[in-house]
Amino acid sequence: QSVLTQPPSVSGAPGQRVTISCTGSSSNIGADFDVHWYQQIPGTAPKLLIFGNTKRPSGVPDRFSGSKSGASASLTITGLQAEDEGDYYCQSFDSTLSVMFGGGTMLTVL
Amino acid sequence: QVQLRESGPGLVKPSGTLSLTCGVSGDSISRNNWWGWVRQPPGKGLERIGEIYHSGDTNYSPSLESRVTISVDKSKRQFSLKLMSVTAADTAFYYCVRAGLGPPPLYYDHWGQGILVTVSS
Repeated sequence: QSVLTQPPSVSGAPGQRVTISCTGSSSNIGADFDVHWYQQIPGTAPKLLIFGNTKRPSGVPDRFSGSKSGASASLTITGLQAEDEGDYYCQSFDSTLSVMFGGGTMLTVL
Repeated sequence: QVQLRESGPGLVKPSGTLSLTCGVSGDSISRNNWWGWVRQPPGKGLERIGEIYHSGDTNYSPSLESRVTISVDKSKRQFSLKLMSVTAADTAFYYCVRAGLGPPPLYYDHWGQGILVTVSS
């Protein structure tokens, strides 16, 4: 059980918008530590999607965006595409447990 | 283009030591980046193992710190992972990563393809 809580699964139709939450506490996200997001397509290594809460690495489409408020963060994907199907992980720092990943969210494109 | 490639045995006996190496190409291991390891049991989530700087400074996950050693060999452009006293719970895909600079937590901007290590007799 991770200290960063993500929904086990989310789904959406092509073209729709989906949001994946990452809920922490006052010892991690709420303590103003950055949140990063990774995408893992089945059978491949994870890929950095968002860093520093809101920043996109070069090459990541602007359909992907990140936000943070209080002890929670969110990843939003607009214009959902079939190729977006996979697992998504948030990452942050916990002052008592060090670097942590969320449990992961499986995105299904209907 | 930065490329990372893991190498090492895919099978380790219980109570033995898991040893992996990550070769780095397309970047200098002596630049201002940390280099690290992340693992993922089959069908499960990600777990950070630790990172090393080219100076030799290391940071380890508290849950693994007593069993882990990460080292760097700048002349060979590689860094390595040793995990001692392994059990079946250490069976996982092991990824080597390059970590970007910044405040904690470091973000991992480049990943190797991963290597499956199975702990079994």
